[in-house]
Amino acid sequence: AQSVAQPEDQVNVAEGNPLTVKCTYSVSGNPYLFWYVQYPNRGLQFLLKYITGDNLVKGSYGFEAEFNKSQTSFHLKKPSALVSDSALYFCAVRDTRGQNFVFGPGTRLSVLP
Amino acid sequence: DTAVSQTPKYLVTQMGNDKSIKCEQNLGHDTMYWYKQDSKKFLKIMFSYNNKELIINETVPNRFSPKSPDKAHLNLHINSLELGDSAVYFCASSRGTGGTRGNTIYFGEGSWLTVV
Repeated sequence: AQSVAQPEDQVNVAEGNPLTVKCTYSVSGNPYLFWYVQYPNRGLQFLLKYITGDNLVKGSYGFEAEFNKSQTSFHLKKPSALVSDSALYFCAVRDTRGQNFVFGPGTRLSVLP
Repeated sequence: DTAVSQTPKYLVTQMGNDKSIKCEQNLGHDTMYWYKQDSKKFLKIMFSYNNKELIINETVPNRFSPKSPDKAHLNLHINSLELGDSAVYFCASSRGTGGTRGNTIYFGEGSWLTVV
């Protein structure tokens, strides 16, 4: 069965500093990996995905993610954090049947001014 | 233009009542989903429909019944509401299923259900 882990419940970073939100996965076959962001009282917004190709994927709002097959990781990164990036971030993997996403537990990012 | 819209956004109701949440997508997708987000923010699939056919039905009490009148709509009806049903319910949609694992799922804004 597929699974996603986000080892940090909370990440704090100062505005202007680089940020990393970690994600590791377990899936049989090729992984299809996604990142979503949820702002307070809002739905999930798609940020980026890895299907195949370059290990560094660029997405919305200046975010990028690095796929590492040997470490089964897909960490979300941004070179310079903004206070407005403060939100809940979810990593997800598409299941092998392609019918569903399995979500990680979420990581709350706080960017401090 | 809202891609996946669900109503109502907020719903407060008493135990034992029956309520429905409606969802519509204008993306031309043929797969729709209902997810539940609990108080700890965990997200879990409840149901999925592809072209009006039920393809995922997770372990959900049979008080929850999805209905898909057409592939642009997936409504969720809940009978005999219980306190534990309080959660945020998200509707979502994507193009295709099965071999199309790279397709993105797009979410609605959520429906906050509080059972008192």
